Amino acid sequence: NAGVTQTPKFRVLKTGQSMTLLCAQDMNHEYMYWYRQDPGMGLRLIHYSVGEGTTAKGEVPDGYNVSRLKKQNFLLGLESAAPSQTSVYFCASSSTGSAGSNEQFFGPGTRLTVL
Amino acid sequence: AQSVTQLGSHVSVSEGALVLLRCNYSSSVPPYLFWYVQYPNQGLQLLLKYTTGATLVKGINGFEAEFKKSETSFHLTKPSAHMSDAAEYFCAVSDRSGSEKLVFGKGTKLTVNP
Repeated sequence: NAGVTQTPKFRVLKTGQSMTLLCAQDMNHEYMYWYRQDPGMGLRLIHYSVGEGTTAKGEVPDGYNVSRLKKQNFLLGLESAAPSQTSVYFCASSSTGSAGSNEQFFGPGTRLTVL
Repeated sequence: AQSVTQLGSHVSVSEGALVLLRCNYSSSVPPYLFWYVQYPNQGLQLLLKYTTGATLVKGINGFEAEFKKSETSFHLTKPSAHMSDAAEYFCAVSDRSGSEKLVFGKGTKLTVNP
């Protein structure tokens, strides 16, 4: 049982390049999330999904797209990377239940640098 | 919109001393409340959560937090700090709307001095 995994762990991009971050969970969770973490800012929600085939915008969605084609995977895409997207990206998942009361399980993070 | 305020971005204590990390939230209804811990270069791990019932919540590693509705607070405490407690701590709230989203505070970095 690996929990939540993220690939890659590190990536350096040049401005304008594109990339996709992959998140996978093996806990059969319905809900999945992408956050970015910046110094002194805490974690901010980018996009989330409440089930296979669904996605929704979070607090800071601009410049990112997501897809949830399979229940266990949640992809985060950057179509044209900008230096402002330099950050550490975390994926998380949670099960359904009493709304908002369930623990979110986090992956180890992806450190992205955009030059 | 909900928000979370963590007072003090850095807190330093001596080993064996009391740990107190402060968290206040703004919400029109009592939310669900969480404390997460992040060790260097790792993801976040749940310490404890409050949903309903007893307002004093016990978590892992000897931490506990008390929900005080009148003060809109959910402060985290540990009677005696250990060197292994050095980490960054995040308070988070979730509303009861069914979205399962969390709003995080900006974090408090805890340093434990020998």
